[in-house]
Amino acid sequence: AQRVTQPEKLLSVFKGAPVELKCNYSYSGSPELFWYVQYSRQRLQLLLRHISRESIKGFTADLNKGETSFHLKKPFAQEEDSAMYYCALRNYGQNFVFGPGTRLSVLP
Amino acid sequence: DADVTQTPRNRITKTGKRIMLECSQTKGHDRMYWYRQDPGLGLRLIYYSFDVKDINKGEISDGYSVSRQAQAKFSLSLESAIPNQTALYFCATSDSSGGTHNEQFFGPGTRLTVL
Repeated sequence: AQRVTQPEKLLSVFKGAPVELKCNYSYSGSPELFWYVQYSRQRLQLLLRHISRESIKGFTADLNKGETSFHLKKPFAQEEDSAMYYCALRNYGQNFVFGPGTRLSVLP
Repeated sequence: DADVTQTPRNRITKTGKRIMLECSQTKGHDRMYWYRQDPGLGLRLIYYSFDVKDINKGEISDGYSVSRQAQAKFSLSLESAIPNQTALYFCATSDSSGGTHNEQFFGPGTRLTVL
């Protein structure tokens, strides 16, 4: 069965500190992985996808198939990064399976 | 601007009542989804539709039904609402042609409270 886990419900860091939001998955095939973000009073939106190998708003994520992980990283956190972050996996049925989410709080 | 809209945005109802949540999109996408969001559980898929004549159950379909009235409209019904259906409900769309690389676009959400 497909499953996405995000072990931290809440992560607090100080402005300028590095941040890493963890995501692990279980899936028998080759997954497509995504990070979605939900800022306060806004709808969920795509942050980045692993196939694009892009950096968005300073965030990057590398798919590690050996560790079945897709951790989200940013070297210097900003206060505007405070939000709810969801890791998601897209399976062969072409549905998305979302993790429980991590709330990132960047303190001044 | 092409968008995904949900009505109502907030609803308070009583146990046993029938409730319909509506979703409309102007993105021209063929695929539509209904999720519920609960604290600590993330988003869970209720139902999804890949085309007008296609309806599929998701992870937590019990107690819900859907109707895909047109490509642009996908409604979610609670036939007899119960308190544990109190949640934030999201509609989402995606494009099977791959033009947006399978990204899902979300509506603003409907906050439903069942008393």
